[in-house]
Amino acid sequence: GAGVSQTPSNKVTEKGKYVELRCDPISGHTALYWYRQSLGQGPEFLIYFQGTGAADDSGLPNDRFFAVRPEGSVSTLKIQRTERGDSAVYLCASSPWTTVEGNEQFFGPGTRLTVL
Amino acid sequence: GIQVEQSPPDLILQEGANSTLRCNFSDSVNNLQWFHQNPWGQLINLFYIPSGTKQNGRLSATTVATERYSLLYISSSQTTDSGVYFCAALTSGTYKYIFGTGTRLKVLA
Repeated sequence: GAGVSQTPSNKVTEKGKYVELRCDPISGHTALYWYRQSLGQGPEFLIYFQGTGAADDSGLPNDRFFAVRPEGSVSTLKIQRTERGDSAVYLCASSPWTTVEGNEQFFGPGTRLTVL
Repeated sequence: GIQVEQSPPDLILQEGANSTLRCNFSDSVNNLQWFHQNPWGQLINLFYIPSGTKQNGRLSATTVATERYSLLYISSSQTTDSGVYFCAALTSGTYKYIFGTGTRLKVLA
C-alpha cells in the first residue's frame, strides 16, 4: 500500500520568503507528526496532530512556523520569513494510534529545505 | 523531558561480524522504536518494541523498560546494513517521540 508522501522533495528559497511543505499520511492514520532533522543529528519533534487538531505544538521553534491539518488527513507545514537557520530536512510521520495497532510511526522521505 | 542516548556513536565492522547497539532513556517509556536511516535519508522501521524481545531475520531487539534501555543486535552484518540507526522513545502522558543522536554504522566488504 501507499506510504507517507511528502512534497516537494527539495525546496530552495531565498531568505525572507514564505514556504509550504506538504505531507500525505497513510490512509486511515489519525496521528501525524512533523520533525526537523539537521545534518548529523536525530529528528527533532515539531508538532503532533490527532485528527484535525494540534495536540502538541511545543516543538515549533517560533511563531514563524505554523502547521495545519484541516480535514484530518493532509497536513501543511508553513514557514514565514524564512531564515538560513531553517535549512534542514523536514520529515513527516503518521501513526494509526489505536489500541489494537498502537502508535508505531511511519515516515515519509522528507523535504530538504535550503534557504539561501 | 526524557533524554535518549545511544552508543556507540560510530561503529565500523567487517562484513559478517555481529554488533550490539544500545539506547538508554532517562524516564519510563510507553513505546520505543528502532529505525535505520539509509544513505538517501529515508527512515526505515526496524522494530516497534516497548518491552520484550523481537526478531526479524538477522536483526533482533530487546527492551528492558524497568531498567530503561533497549538493545539492537545485528548478526552477520552486510554492507547494506550501513547507515545511521536511531532509537525513538515515547514517554507516558506525552505525544512526542524523542530521538537519540544515532549510531553511525559502516560495514566494510
